[in-house]
Amino acid sequence: SAVISQKPSRDICQRGTSLTIQCQVDSQVTMMFWYRQQPGQSLTLIATANQGSEATYESGFVIDKFPISRPNLTFSTLTVSNMSPEDSSIYLCSVEQASGNTIYFGEGSWLTVV
Amino acid sequence: DAKTTQPNSMESNEEEPVHLPCNHSTISGTDYIHWYRQLPSQGPEYVIHGLTSNVNNRMASLAIAEDRKSSTLILHRATLRDAAVYYCILRWNNDMRFGAGTRLTVKP
Repeated sequence: SAVISQKPSRDICQRGTSLTIQCQVDSQVTMMFWYRQQPGQSLTLIATANQGSEATYESGFVIDKFPISRPNLTFSTLTVSNMSPEDSSIYLCSVEQASGNTIYFGEGSWLTVV
Repeated sequence: DAKTTQPNSMESNEEEPVHLPCNHSTISGTDYIHWYRQLPSQGPEYVIHGLTSNVNNRMASLAIAEDRKSSTLILHRATLRDAAVYYCILRWNNDMRFGAGTRLTVKP
């Protein structure tokens, strides 16, 4: 299994600011994904983080709002830009290892925008 | 876009088996059936997955209907730590989309 570390685990942010969430994996992985989970809701896929190229965004999510980087096979960042209270959510990093079909999730980054 | 349908909630008594159903009538031949669960204040956790045959692991069993249009996650003896939201997901390639899931309550 893969061990995923997300930072920050929690933060309270001011409206209009931006925050970058880091996702570090303890082994090389083929795929990295970013999800959002709004309070009391299920998970929604934001984008697939592609190594060395632009992320692939799902409908309703754009690069200007959620820029993503993936410089190597073990690390990715998600930035939530120009935050509003509606961005208050848990943001989860997930990965798939080259060896299997299983997706592993981090513990999430709990963001509150005030 | 393959979708799944699950009951919103279920209850079980501790030490008893639990059968969590999932309907996926639009499943395609290449979709894997995955189950994840999310304990309170944690990220989702892999439980089990399968394609056509029934599967067993240390956490649970997965029973897949012959026509693959439904499946059942079986927890053989529920414990209080199994209280979670259980998600049934169809996955093909990089596409893994979560539905609303089933919230399982385990009563002592």
